[in-house]
Amino acid sequence: DIQMTQSPSSLSASVGDRVTITCRASQSISGHLNWYQHKPGRAPKLLIYGAAILQRGVPSRFTGSGSGTDFTLTITSPQPEDFATYYCQQSYSTPWTFGQGTKVEIK
Amino acid sequence: EVQLVESGGGLVKPGGSLRLSCAASGFTFNDYTMNWLRQPPEKGLEWVSSVSTSSGYIYYGDSVKGRFTISRDNAKNSLFLQMSSLRPEDTAVYYCARGDISASGWKFFAHWGQGTLVTVSS
Repeated sequence: DIQMTQSPSSLSASVGDRVTITCRASQSISGHLNWYQHKPGRAPKLLIYGAAILQRGVPSRFTGSGSGTDFTLTITSPQPEDFATYYCQQSYSTPWTFGQGTKVEIK
Repeated sequence: EVQLVESGGGLVKPGGSLRLSCAASGFTFNDYTMNWLRQPPEKGLEWVSSVSTSSGYIYYGDSVKGRFTISRDNAKNSLFLQMSSLRPEDTAVYYCARGDISASGWKFFAHWGQGTLVTVSS
């Protein structure tokens, strides 16, 4: 199975800061990496697929980058609605696996 | 609008069984692989199982293999998860999700239901 490791597990940020979350795969997954936002009591929301492709309707302040084993999600100037938990997920091979999550809280 | 609505969750004793359902609407159900995922309390997301469009390909995560059975009824636009030999560690919110593939071949879960809570406890 491909293990996905996210860092940090949590962070505090102010509105307008730059937030960076990293995700590392235990083996190369090319660009088969997705990012999701999850808020309590809500369905997870797809933000980015194919490592860098913004899902329709997602604000452009979310960007994804990386290939192979190392990936990054960046939120430039996070807004109050962006405070949530973020997960990376590899779609290279089953079992599809997720990172442990990064909780982004308001400072 | 794509809608996925899960039902069937509840409290069950260890060793018991439960059947989850997911009603789909707003898209051509039999064109898509469907999935179950879950989130245990205070933990992250975990993929549980997938079933292909005509049920020819079925996959399970190791933690549920041999205990859970995924199925679908394309005539009724419905997805199911039969869970047996339930354990306390199966306690989670269970989500139904549509499997999407982009034109470039990227796979992802773009549509999820709101989830149904399964609690396994004596």
